[in-house]
Amino acid sequence: AQSVAQPEDQVNVAEGNPLTVKCTYSVSGNPYLFWYVQYPNRGLQFLLKYITGDNLVKGSYGFEAEFNKSQTSFHLKKPSALVSDSALYFCAVRARRRGNTPLVFGKGTRLSVIA
Amino acid sequence: GAVVSQHPSRVICKSGTSVKIECRSLDFQATTMFWYRQFPKQSLMLMATSNEGSKATYEQGVEKDKFLINHASLTLSTLTVTSAHPEDSSFYICSARDHQGTTYEQYFGPGTRLTVT
Repeated sequence: AQSVAQPEDQVNVAEGNPLTVKCTYSVSGNPYLFWYVQYPNRGLQFLLKYITGDNLVKGSYGFEAEFNKSQTSFHLKKPSALVSDSALYFCAVRARRRGNTPLVFGKGTRLSVIA
Repeated sequence: GAVVSQHPSRVICKSGTSVKIECRSLDFQATTMFWYRQFPKQSLMLMATSNEGSKATYEQGVEKDKFLINHASLTLSTLTVTSAHPEDSSFYICSARDHQGTTYEQYFGPGTRLTVT
Protein backbone atom coordinates (compact mmCIF):
# COMPACT_ATOMS: atom_id res chain seq x y z
CA ALA A 1 0.00 0.00 0.00
CA GLN A 2 1.09 3.54 -0.66
CA SER A 3 1.56 6.07 2.11
CA VAL A 4 3.03 9.49 2.66
CA ALA A 5 4.31 10.96 5.89
CA GLN A 6 4.63 14.66 6.53
CA PRO A 7 6.10 14.71 10.03
CA GLU A 8 5.49 18.39 10.71
CA ASP A 9 1.99 19.81 11.16
CA GLN A 10 3.36 23.35 11.13
CA VAL A 11 6.53 25.01 9.88
CA ASN A 12 7.35 28.58 10.79
CA VAL A 13 10.03 30.53 8.98
CA ALA A 14 11.05 34.16 8.74
CA GLU A 15 10.66 35.93 5.44
CA GLY A 16 13.85 35.72 3.41
CA ASN A 17 15.06 32.59 5.14
CA PRO A 18 15.24 29.21 3.42
CA LEU A 19 12.38 26.82 4.04
CA THR A 20 12.06 23.04 4.03
CA VAL A 21 8.87 21.01 4.24
CA LYS A 22 9.57 17.34 4.84
CA CYS A 23 8.01 14.35 3.12
CA THR A 24 8.77 10.64 3.18
CA TYR A 25 6.89 8.00 1.27
CA SER A 26 6.28 4.30 1.05
CA VAL A 27 5.34 2.59 -2.19
CA SER A 28 6.02 -0.64 -4.02
CA GLY A 29 8.52 -0.04 -6.75
CA ASN A 30 9.46 3.36 -8.09
CA PRO A 31 7.20 6.28 -7.30
CA TYR A 32 5.74 9.30 -8.95
CA LEU A 33 5.99 12.12 -6.40
CA PHE A 34 4.17 15.43 -6.25
CA TRP A 35 3.83 18.57 -4.21
CA TYR A 36 0.64 20.61 -4.10
CA VAL A 37 -0.25 23.82 -2.31
CA GLN A 38 -3.68 24.76 -0.98
CA TYR A 39 -4.85 28.23 -0.02
CA PRO A 40 -7.88 28.67 2.27
CA ASN A 41 -11.13 27.38 0.80
CA ARG A 42 -9.43 26.61 -2.48
CA GLY A 43 -8.54 23.51 -4.41
CA LEU A 44 -5.05 22.19 -4.82
CA GLN A 45 -2.49 23.85 -7.03
CA PHE A 46 0.28 21.77 -8.55
CA LEU A 47 3.81 22.83 -7.62
CA LEU A 48 6.12 20.18 -8.99
CA LYS A 49 6.57 16.52 -9.69
CA TYR A 50 9.25 13.87 -9.90
CA ILE A 51 8.76 11.28 -12.59
CA THR A 52 12.25 10.27 -13.62
CA GLY A 53 15.62 11.80 -14.38
CA ASP A 54 17.32 14.41 -12.22
CA ASN A 55 16.68 13.99 -8.54
CA LEU A 56 16.40 17.75 -8.07
CA VAL A 57 13.12 18.98 -9.45
CA LYS A 58 12.31 22.65 -9.93
CA GLY A 59 8.73 23.82 -9.87
CA SER A 60 6.47 26.82 -9.63
CA TYR A 61 7.09 29.95 -7.55
CA GLY A 62 10.75 29.14 -6.92
CA PHE A 63 10.09 25.85 -5.14
CA GLU A 64 12.20 22.79 -5.65
CA ALA A 65 12.31 19.27 -4.24
CA GLU A 66 14.93 16.58 -4.09
CA PHE A 67 14.11 12.93 -4.61
CA ASN A 68 16.23 10.73 -2.36
CA LYS A 69 15.59 7.08 -3.09
CA SER A 70 17.71 5.68 -0.27
CA GLN A 71 15.92 7.79 2.31
CA THR A 72 12.55 7.55 0.50
CA SER A 73 12.18 11.28 0.87
CA PHE A 74 10.99 14.15 -1.30
CA HIS A 75 11.47 17.30 0.76
CA LEU A 76 10.18 20.60 -0.57
CA LYS A 77 12.56 23.56 -0.42
CA LYS A 78 12.79 27.21 -1.28
CA PRO A 79 15.91 29.35 -0.85
CA SER A 80 14.11 32.48 0.29
CA ALA A 81 10.61 32.36 1.74
CA LEU A 82 7.92 34.94 1.03
CA VAL A 83 4.95 35.84 3.21
CA SER A 84 2.75 34.86 0.26
CA ASP A 85 4.10 31.31 0.51
CA SER A 86 2.06 30.84 3.68
CA ALA A 87 -0.36 28.02 2.89
CA LEU A 88 -1.03 24.32 3.36
CA TYR A 89 1.35 22.02 1.51
CA PHE A 90 0.63 18.44 0.55
CA CYS A 91 3.05 15.78 -0.60
CA ALA A 92 1.56 12.96 -2.68
CA VAL A 93 2.73 9.69 -4.14
CA ARG A 94 1.47 7.44 -6.88
CA ALA A 95 2.72 3.98 -7.62
CA ARG A 96 4.43 3.60 -10.96
CA ARG A 97 2.33 0.92 -12.54
CA ARG A 98 -0.42 0.41 -15.03
CA GLY A 99 -3.93 1.33 -14.25
CA ASN A 100 -5.62 4.26 -12.64
CA THR A 101 -3.79 4.33 -9.37
CA PRO A 102 -4.80 7.46 -7.49
CA LEU A 103 -2.65 9.94 -5.71
CA VAL A 104 -2.25 9.30 -2.00
CA PHE A 105 -1.70 12.39 0.08
CA GLY A 106 0.15 13.18 3.25
CA LYS A 107 -1.75 14.95 6.00
CA GLY A 108 -0.35 18.30 5.01
CA THR A 109 2.03 20.82 6.53
CA ARG A 110 0.97 24.35 7.26
CA LEU A 111 3.69 26.80 6.36
CA SER A 112 3.69 30.17 8.04
CA VAL A 113 6.14 32.78 6.78
CA ILE A 114 6.55 35.65 9.16
CA ALA A 115 7.48 39.12 7.97
CA GLY B 1 -2.40 24.11 -17.99
CA ALA B 2 -5.42 21.87 -17.73
CA VAL B 3 -8.42 23.27 -15.90
CA VAL B 4 -10.98 21.46 -13.81
CA SER B 5 -14.11 23.24 -12.69
CA GLN B 6 -16.59 22.37 -9.98
CA HIS B 7 -20.10 23.58 -9.44
CA PRO B 8 -21.38 24.76 -7.09
CA SER B 9 -18.53 26.21 -5.05
CA ARG B 10 -20.69 26.34 -1.95
CA VAL B 11 -23.99 24.73 -1.10
CA ILE B 12 -26.14 24.67 1.98
CA CYS B 13 -28.88 22.09 2.18
CA LYS B 14 -31.27 20.73 4.72
CA SER B 15 -30.83 17.35 6.31
CA GLY B 16 -32.49 14.63 4.27
CA THR B 17 -32.16 16.32 0.89
CA SER B 18 -29.80 15.36 -1.92
CA VAL B 19 -27.10 17.49 -3.44
CA LYS B 20 -25.36 17.09 -6.79
CA ILE B 21 -21.84 18.37 -7.40
CA GLU B 22 -20.50 18.65 -10.94
CA CYS B 23 -16.90 18.29 -11.99
CA ARG B 24 -15.80 19.23 -15.50
CA SER B 25 -12.51 19.04 -17.32
CA LEU B 26 -12.54 22.16 -19.46
CA ASP B 27 -9.74 21.68 -21.95
CA PHE B 28 -8.91 18.03 -21.89
CA GLN B 29 -10.58 14.66 -21.84
CA ALA B 30 -10.52 12.89 -18.54
CA THR B 31 -10.90 9.17 -18.76
CA THR B 32 -10.46 8.96 -15.04
CA MET B 33 -11.78 11.26 -12.34
CA PHE B 34 -11.28 11.06 -8.61
CA TRP B 35 -13.41 12.38 -5.78
CA TYR B 36 -11.80 13.44 -2.52
CA ARG B 37 -13.19 14.65 0.76
CA GLN B 38 -11.37 16.99 3.09
CA PHE B 39 -12.24 17.69 6.69
CA PRO B 40 -11.03 20.89 8.36
CA LYS B 41 -7.28 20.92 8.86
CA GLN B 42 -6.97 17.42 7.50
CA SER B 43 -5.68 15.79 4.36
CA LEU B 44 -7.60 14.76 1.30
CA MET B 45 -9.22 11.36 1.63
CA LEU B 46 -9.93 9.53 -1.59
CA MET B 47 -13.59 8.55 -1.82
CA ALA B 48 -13.80 6.94 -5.23
CA THR B 49 -12.26 6.56 -8.64
CA SER B 50 -14.50 6.81 -11.67
CA ASN B 51 -13.78 5.79 -15.22
CA GLU B 52 -15.86 7.13 -18.05
CA GLY B 53 -18.67 4.79 -18.93
CA SER B 54 -18.20 2.36 -16.05
CA LYS B 55 -19.09 2.08 -12.40
CA ALA B 56 -17.02 3.92 -9.85
CA THR B 57 -14.64 2.13 -7.54
CA TYR B 58 -15.22 3.20 -3.97
CA GLU B 59 -12.66 3.23 -1.19
CA GLN B 60 -13.22 1.14 1.88
CA GLY B 61 -15.68 2.75 4.23
CA VAL B 62 -17.34 4.96 1.61
CA GLU B 63 -21.03 4.17 1.11
CA LYS B 64 -21.68 3.85 -2.59
CA ASP B 65 -25.43 4.20 -2.13
CA LYS B 66 -24.95 7.46 -0.31
CA PHE B 67 -22.33 8.98 -2.57
CA LEU B 68 -23.51 8.34 -6.11
CA ILE B 69 -20.93 8.95 -8.79
CA ASN B 70 -21.69 9.22 -12.48
CA HIS B 71 -19.03 9.66 -15.15
CA ALA B 72 -21.09 9.65 -18.30
CA SER B 73 -18.76 11.62 -20.52
CA LEU B 74 -15.07 12.33 -20.89
CA THR B 75 -15.49 15.82 -19.49
CA LEU B 76 -18.09 15.46 -16.76
CA SER B 77 -18.40 13.55 -13.53
CA THR B 78 -21.03 14.13 -10.86
CA LEU B 79 -21.16 13.30 -7.18
CA THR B 80 -24.59 13.15 -5.58
CA VAL B 81 -24.79 13.11 -1.82
CA THR B 82 -28.11 11.42 -1.11
CA SER B 83 -30.14 12.01 2.03
CA ALA B 84 -27.50 14.33 3.36
CA HIS B 85 -26.85 14.62 7.07
CA PRO B 86 -24.81 17.14 9.05
CA GLU B 87 -21.88 14.71 9.26
CA ASP B 88 -21.67 14.87 5.45
CA SER B 89 -20.68 18.52 5.72
CA SER B 90 -17.24 18.74 4.23
CA PHE B 91 -15.10 20.11 1.42
CA TYR B 92 -15.40 17.91 -1.65
CA ILE B 93 -12.70 18.10 -4.30
CA CYS B 94 -12.69 16.40 -7.66
CA SER B 95 -9.64 15.62 -9.70
CA ALA B 96 -9.13 14.55 -13.27
CA ARG B 97 -6.29 12.80 -15.00
CA ASP B 98 -5.34 13.65 -18.56
CA HIS B 99 -4.35 10.48 -20.33
CA GLN B 100 -3.10 12.22 -23.43
CA GLY B 101 0.61 12.73 -23.93
CA THR B 102 2.97 12.08 -21.07
CA THR B 103 1.50 14.12 -18.27
CA TYR B 104 1.18 12.32 -14.99
CA GLU B 105 -0.29 14.84 -12.61
CA GLN B 106 -3.88 15.04 -11.57
CA TYR B 107 -5.62 18.35 -12.01
CA PHE B 108 -7.83 19.46 -9.17
CA GLY B 109 -11.04 21.39 -9.10
CA PRO B 110 -11.47 24.33 -6.71
CA GLY B 111 -13.65 22.30 -4.37
CA THR B 112 -17.23 22.44 -3.16
CA ARG B 113 -18.03 23.26 0.42
CA LEU B 114 -21.14 21.41 1.50
CA THR B 115 -22.95 22.43 4.66
CA VAL B 116 -25.87 20.31 5.81
CA THR B 117 -28.11 21.94 8.38
